[in-house]
Amino acid sequence: NAGVTQTPKFQVLKTGQSMTLQCAQDMNHNSMYWYRQDPGMGLRLIYYSASEGTTDKGEVPNGYNVSRLNKREFSLRLESAAPSQTSVYFCASSDQQGYEQYFGPGTRLTVT
Amino acid sequence: EDQVTQSPEALRLQEGESSSLNCSYTVSGLRGLFWYRQDPGKGPEFLFTLYSAGEEKEKERLKATLTKKESFLHITAPKPEDSATYLCAVRNNAGNMLTFGGGTRLMVKP
Repeated sequence: NAGVTQTPKFQVLKTGQSMTLQCAQDMNHNSMYWYRQDPGMGLRLIYYSASEGTTDKGEVPNGYNVSRLNKREFSLRLESAAPSQTSVYFCASSDQQGYEQYFGPGTRLTVT
Repeated sequence: EDQVTQSPEALRLQEGESSSLNCSYTVSGLRGLFWYRQDPGKGPEFLFTLYSAGEEKEKERLKATLTKKESFLHITAPKPEDSATYLCAVRNNAGNMLTFGGGTRLMVKP
């Protein structure tokens, strides 16, 4: 049981480049989430998917898009990266919306 | 708007020196308060969920308690391996998302 996995672990982008962060869970959870974590700002929700086929905006969705590919996979896309998107990105999943969430190891993204 | 404030921001303890971390919250209808541990370079690891005032949960040297306005994470006789950042989060009655506090960085010296 791998839990929540994320790829890549590290990424450096130039301003304006695009990329997709991948997330998969093997716990048969219904809900999945994308957060960013910045020093002094804590964890902030970008987007979430309450169930397969649905997605909703969180606290800081601007500049991001998501896709719930199937029950296991939830991707986060940066269409045109900006230095303000330099952060650590975490994916999480839960059995039901709002219940305890289980986090992946994170992706450290630097935009220059 | 839900708010979670954790204090102190950082706490240095000697091994064996018990202490408490505080999580103060304002939320429109609490439907769960969550404690996580986060080690450097890793994702948060779930510890406890508390649902109602007066509830307590324990795991090894950690005990979490809940009142109507705050939660405490009590650490009894900590060891260096307890060093980590501890995060608190709340879920409101809309149930859509968790709101996290900024965390308390705990350092336990041998």
